[in-house]
Amino acid sequence: GDSVTQMEGPVTLSEEAFLTINCTYTATGYPSLFWYVQYPGEGLQLLLKATKADDKGSNKGFEATYRKETTSFHLEKGSVQVSDSAVYFCALSDRGAQKLVFGQGTRLTINP
Amino acid sequence: GAGVSQSPSNKVTEKGKDVELRCDPISGHTALYWYRQSLGQGLEFLIYFQGNSAPDKSGLPSDRFSAERTGGSVSTLTIQRTQQEDSAVYLCASSSGTGRSIGGYTFGSGTRLTVV
Repeated sequence: GDSVTQMEGPVTLSEEAFLTINCTYTATGYPSLFWYVQYPGEGLQLLLKATKADDKGSNKGFEATYRKETTSFHLEKGSVQVSDSAVYFCALSDRGAQKLVFGQGTRLTINP
Repeated sequence: GAGVSQSPSNKVTEKGKDVELRCDPISGHTALYWYRQSLGQGLEFLIYFQGNSAPDKSGLPSDRFSAERTGGSVSTLTIQRTQQEDSAVYLCASSSGTGRSIGGYTFGSGTRLTVV
């Protein structure tokens, strides 16, 4: 079945460092891909999405490109801030299945 | 409403008791989902409602779990004879899109269920 694999955490970086959180997927169809973020004490929020190959989703300085050839959707940010500390979830929605399949989440901590 | 509303936000129950968790989706969203987030784990799909279609119940972990959606709006997730392993945060989400046009889901803040 469909699955999402994320880089294991926790990840700890210093402020202004470059961030990459790896995400790869397995799907039978052509899924839409998402990154969700869960800030401390808050609910899940959609961070960005991409619906077809080579699409780039971006929001709040974060970017991820839908790479069909490597089945990846890695999350990147050029200069992280303390406020980016959160748990990040990669997810896919297969056209046929309609539901979201999540990775296990990556906890990110940014130190000042 | 402006967002997905879930109630209660916290629920502590004794093992063996039944619980009901409520979800009020965004008005006009035709799709509604329940997920479970256990401590230290990712999100586990439970059930999906889309319009008037039969729900996708493939994620329900046992027959103690059931859900209904009345009038295409409010949904209730019921757990009968709760067990300690049912302790988790139960998340509801709604969406207006289907397939490739899906615009992402809006999640509620969840109900934290603790079975003692």
